[in-house]
Amino acid sequence: GQQLNQSPQSMFIQEGEDVSMNCTSSSIFNTWLWYKQDPGEGPVLLIALYKAGELTSNGRLTAQFGITRKDSFLNISASIPSDVGIYFCAGQKGGSQGNLIFGKGTKLSVKP
Amino acid sequence: DAGVIQSPRHEVTEMGQEVTLRCKPISGHNSLFWYRQTMMRGLELLIYFNNNVPIDDSGMPEDRFSAKMPNASFSTLKIQPSEPRDSAVYFCASSSGLAGLIQYFGAGTRLSVL
Repeated sequence: GQQLNQSPQSMFIQEGEDVSMNCTSSSIFNTWLWYKQDPGEGPVLLIALYKAGELTSNGRLTAQFGITRKDSFLNISASIPSDVGIYFCAGQKGGSQGNLIFGKGTKLSVKP
Repeated sequence: DAGVIQSPRHEVTEMGQEVTLRCKPISGHNSLFWYRQTMMRGLELLIYFNNNVPIDDSGMPEDRFSAKMPNASFSTLKIQPSEPRDSAVYFCASSSGLAGLIQYFGAGTRLSVL
């Protein structure tokens, strides 16, 4: 089936660090979404992107819709402990009725 | 406003038993999605409904899985008979055509088949 390659798979952060993650595909997508999942909960939407080149912020989070429409990036600035969790990208190709394809997630943990 | 409500939150059953997972979408949403999440395969779409009609069930793993949406406020995912490899977290999500593609997820049902 369709695949989104999300990287890194996991990363450790120290409070105050900036964090970057990305999602790539061999296919073109019309929409990119970024979700965060906390332990024992369902994914929660962080940012939605609808146009190639679009740059959107939500507090300390910034996401971009790649110009080629085959990738997207999420940055977290000045991370705090509550940023830990799993971040998922999701893409939708034109024509499907809301069918999203999810990446496998980037797990953010705090450095011991 | 209540979000997507799933029940039960946890289910432990023995191999061969029937399992029914339940979902109440957000009021007014007209699309409903069932996902399965495992460490190995991540989030997989099993089936989705639009206006109570199944649109795409190509993700349903096999005939042991079935899903219904008898009305706009309720859906079930049934596994009969259950097998240990069905152990996973099952999520329900809903979306509104007016809000585009944004799907809102429930808290999930963690299923363990022994």
